[in-house]
Amino acid sequence: ETGVTQSPTHLIKTRGQQVTLRCSSQSGHNTVSWYQQALGQGPQFIFQYYREEENGRGNFPPRFSGLQFPNYSSELNVNALELDDSALYLCASSLSRGAGELFFGEGSRLTVL
Amino acid sequence: KNEVEQSPQNLTAQEGEFITINCSYSVGISALHWLQQHPGGGIVSLFMLSSGKKKHGRLIATINIQEKHSSLHITASHPRDSAVYICAGANFGNEKLTFGTGTRLTIIP
Repeated sequence: ETGVTQSPTHLIKTRGQQVTLRCSSQSGHNTVSWYQQALGQGPQFIFQYYREEENGRGNFPPRFSGLQFPNYSSELNVNALELDDSALYLCASSLSRGAGELFFGEGSRLTVL
Repeated sequence: KNEVEQSPQNLTAQEGEFITINCSYSVGISALHWLQQHPGGGIVSLFMLSSGKKKHGRLIATINIQEKHSSLHITASHPRDSAVYICAGANFGNEKLTFGTGTRLTIIP
């Protein structure tokens, strides 16, 4: 157990809808990163939050947005869902930003129909 | 072109064999993560290293900064080691983590 929990574990949405995924980071970790992993591929970096501020972003459109709360839990929001958004969404927390050890959650598997 | 390249893509071995998975990375990557992903998706961090060698149980990770190459070794492999192993590069000052495509390891009893 990494101490990082994600919810929901599975969900199904239709095209055009919006989704919010949640991540509770390990206690004491102030940095959360989100990744998208399509079936059969490696994870792709979406963005990172450090102390409630976005601290780096990958090549994802603005309809992917996030938040980090004062307790360092985090949300990933995706608007106007597309079929290609179907993937496993992983969050990882770390003690601080920079190349420290990462603790991953089990992921949220999103299916867009 | 991915900044992190892994080989082999697939590896099948008999229980007890010594396993090596390789990872090459480009300029600008200053630390390497080795990760293990089981079916169902959960990822476990095995090592994070920026120089030298680390060992944890039957797992050993090495990195050669000059050659920009890292290896993950598994000694006395066991069927429970079957998983996808992923290396990922990190840049200090740039929080983006770049992942390799993964190596699917299958250990046959």
